[in-house]
Amino acid sequence: DGGITQSPKYLFRKEGQNVTLSCEQNLNHDAMYWYRQDPGQGLRLIYYSQIVNDFQKGDIAEGYSVSREKKESFPLTVTSAQKNPTAFYLCASSQGYGNQPQHFGDGTRLSIL
Amino acid sequence: AQSVTQLGSHVSVSEGALVLLRCNYSSSVPPYLFWYVQYPNQGLQLLLKYTSAATLVKGINGFEAEFKKSETSFHLTKPSAHMSDAAEYFCAVSGLTGANNLFFGTGTRLTVIP
Repeated sequence: DGGITQSPKYLFRKEGQNVTLSCEQNLNHDAMYWYRQDPGQGLRLIYYSQIVNDFQKGDIAEGYSVSREKKESFPLTVTSAQKNPTAFYLCASSQGYGNQPQHFGDGTRLSIL
Repeated sequence: AQSVTQLGSHVSVSEGALVLLRCNYSSSVPPYLFWYVQYPNQGLQLLLKYTSAATLVKGINGFEAEFKKSETSFHLTKPSAHMSDAAEYFCAVSGLTGANNLFFGTGTRLTVIP
């Protein structure tokens, strides 16, 4: 079955450490997205990519970085510059624009040791 | 610019009662509107979407929503709540301009009382 796979499901970060969250999709979607979810705040867009080798900052990109070297992969790195990284991170993908829904992975929960 | 407001961060209903979750949107262009459901520690699952065809949209699990332009609303309803409906529900809007970016509301947590 087609879908989006996020790994790992749980991740722990030490102070000063960069960590990378994986997101892979086999839906052949052009666009991919990363969201951060905090209790009571809904989903906030970190980065998005509409095509390979191109990506754009979302609303809260500071302290994060991404790459899009392959259509099916969109990894997110949480850098040490992100001072409050504890959150639930969701990856999504979609085909086309506006009227096409986004499909979501099951998320990665990041915590600080 | 697009945005959504979900009235009520928590809603409780009895099993078998009507479910009504409210969503109002703001959009400078004709909107596309979506409702998603999230179960604990999982991603979001699409319930239904409005894309300017019929104003009454039917989704999965017996849910439906009605687009009312005059009220800028897209409320989600279900005639009879089941225990399995307990989850968090998100309304989202996107527009015709630019990328397929969704703007999410802050969510409504639905509790179903047996």
